[in-house]
Amino acid sequence: GQNIDQPTEMTATEGAIVQINCTYQTSGFNGLFWYQQHAGEAPTFLSYNVLDGLEEKGRFSSFLSRSKGYSYLLLKELQMKDSASYLCAVMDSNYQLIWGAGTKLIIKP
Amino acid sequence: SAVISQKPSRDICQRGTSLTIQCQVDSQVTMMFWYRQQPGQSLTLIATANQGSEATYESGFVIDKFPISRPNLTFSTLTVSNMSPEDSSIYLCSGRWGQGDTGELFFGEGSRLTVL
Repeated sequence: GQNIDQPTEMTATEGAIVQINCTYQTSGFNGLFWYQQHAGEAPTFLSYNVLDGLEEKGRFSSFLSRSKGYSYLLLKELQMKDSASYLCAVMDSNYQLIWGAGTKLIIKP
Repeated sequence: SAVISQKPSRDICQRGTSLTIQCQVDSQVTMMFWYRQQPGQSLTLIATANQGSEATYESGFVIDKFPISRPNLTFSTLTVSNMSPEDSSIYLCSGRWGQGDTGELFFGEGSRLTVL
């Protein structure tokens, strides 16, 4: 079956760095997405990786290793507004998105 | 970025009734989808809304329970029929633009339904 695993919850301190991991097993691969979802709001797009390596976008970076079925989202200089759930999603060979359950990130002052 | 508007944003419904959620996008999209997100859970795809034809439903979802319309490229509706408390959830409309299948998804604000 198809499976996306990410930690349920993480806690970090304002100003610090946090890495949210995502491992996947899917039938085929057409890219991996990270979305941010604040409580009570819709998910918003953060990043898309289809090739191995690191994609940097401001304070957020996303890494992909296709051979390992692994990605991480790196958040630097954490701010209180970064408290949210972070959803990992993989597009399979049928271009269907398989969603992880999300990682709830709690930022403490 | 694209704008997707959903209404109602929230509603409290009685068991056995039906509710229609509307989704309006601000430009023509390639594809539109309806998702459900139950509390603390991942996003679950209900169906792909096809313009001018029947929606394509995922396993576990049927047209009788979740009829979907998409009369044009910028508008779709999802009806949750004969509701039960198990249908209490957030329902999200989403759209993808562009020619490819790998474009990012944009989401509406969601419709939070509570069924008593």
